[in-house]
Amino acid sequence: QQKVQQSPESLIVPEGAMTSLNCTFSDSASQYFAWYRQHSGKAPKALMSIFSNGEKEEGRFTIHLNKASLHFSLHIRDSQPSDSALYLCAVGQGGRALIFGTGTTVSVSP
Amino acid sequence: EAAVTQSPRNKVTVTGGNVTLSCRQTNSHNYMYWYRQDTGHGLRLIHYSYGAGNLQIGDVPDGYKATRTTQEDFFLLLELASPSQTSLYFCASSETGEEGTLYFGAGTRLSVL
Repeated sequence: QQKVQQSPESLIVPEGAMTSLNCTFSDSASQYFAWYRQHSGKAPKALMSIFSNGEKEEGRFTIHLNKASLHFSLHIRDSQPSDSALYLCAVGQGGRALIFGTGTTVSVSP
Repeated sequence: EAAVTQSPRNKVTVTGGNVTLSCRQTNSHNYMYWYRQDTGHGLRLIHYSYGAGNLQIGDVPDGYKATRTTQEDFFLLLELASPSQTSLYFCASSETGEEGTLYFGAGTRLSVL
């Protein structure tokens, strides 16, 4: 069964700094990789996703994927207090629903 | 943006009670999902469906039944609720399945006393 793990569990970053979040998965046949963000008391909402090895940038957010290492990451440039949230990574493999990691709680201090 | 509505938003029941959580999506998505969220466990998949009348077993199905009556409606049933089922439940829908964006409802907070 697919295992998806995130690190760190939580982190505090100063406003304006880079936030880096990690996600590892166990099944090398995985095909789809995504990040979701959940503000306190709200529903999770998709941030961005990637299919192929490499990097994808959207605004202040960048995903890196290395399938050989079973690892992908999310980097948030110029972190803002509004980025304070629970970040969930998710992995898809053909024929199954998305499997989520346990989450990383990010606090951006002004 | 996709609209997914869950009801009730909050529910309290007693051990052994029956509970039905409802989910409706109005975006003609084929795929619908039930997840539970607990601190330290992230989102865990209970059941999901590819369309009306279809049901697939998730990763934590014990104690839960589900039924997809129409393309819009997906129900989660707890027939003998236990305190271990106290959790925050999210319903989600997707147009393209496991390789597409999930749109979540606002969640139902269930307490089993």
